[in-house]
Amino acid sequence: DGGITQSPKYLFRKEGQNVTLSCEQNLNHDAMYWYRQDPGQGLRLIYYSQIVNDFQKGDIAEGYSVSREKKESFPLTVTSAQKNPTAFYLCASSFTANTEAFFGQGTRLTVV
Amino acid sequence: DAKTTQPNSMESNEEEPVHLPCNHSTISGTDYIHWYRQLPSQGPEYVIHGLTSNVNNRMASLAIAEDRKSSTLILHRATLRDAAVYYCILRLISNQFYFGTGTSLTVIP
Repeated sequence: DGGITQSPKYLFRKEGQNVTLSCEQNLNHDAMYWYRQDPGQGLRLIYYSQIVNDFQKGDIAEGYSVSREKKESFPLTVTSAQKNPTAFYLCASSFTANTEAFFGQGTRLTVV
Repeated sequence: DAKTTQPNSMESNEEEPVHLPCNHSTISGTDYIHWYRQLPSQGPEYVIHGLTSNVNNRMASLAIAEDRKSSTLILHRATLRDAAVYYCILRLISNQFYFGTGTSLTVIP
C-alpha cells in the first residue's frame, strides 16, 4: 500500500536531549513537510522540502533541523534549543499544489 | 503568508446539509483552495480542492466565489462521522501551504 508513515507514534524524552522523528513515504512525492500542532490549535509549518537535498524554513523552524538525502525520507530533529518541544508532530507529502497532500498519523512527543 | 479565516465552530443536525465558509481575501491568481479535515490525534485527511470553478467529489462540494476571495465547503448530508475540524488552506504554486485555525464541526444526532 502506498502511503506516508511516521514513527514512533509516541515518544518521550528528557529535557536537553535531541530527538529525531521519522517520516517515510512511498508515493514518489517530491514535496515533503513537517508541521507542529499544539492542543486546540491549527498546524504550523516547521520545514518543507520541494526536492532532494533542498529544504526551506517554515514559520517556526528555530530549534529544529531536517535533512532530505532521499526522496522517500524527511526526518525531523528536535534539538535541545527548542524551548517548548512537547507537541503533536505531523509529516505530509504531495506532488504539486493541484494535487492532494497526504499526512502521516503523527508523532506525539513529550519532553519531561 | 497566505491566510484564511473560518468560524471557530459550527453545528449541524444529522442528515442535513452543512455549509462551511472560508474567507481568503489575499488569494492570488495561482493559489489553489484546499479543504482538509482532522479527527482528534490523527493526521488531516484531504476533502476537496479547486482553483476557480466549483468542484464535486464523493465526499463534498466546493463552491468558489467569482472573485475567489471566499469559498464554501458543502457536506450534502452530515453524518456523525463528519464531526471533525475542517481546515481551509491556500496552496501556493510554489507548493507551500499554510493552515489556519479551522472550524470545529459538531453533528447533532
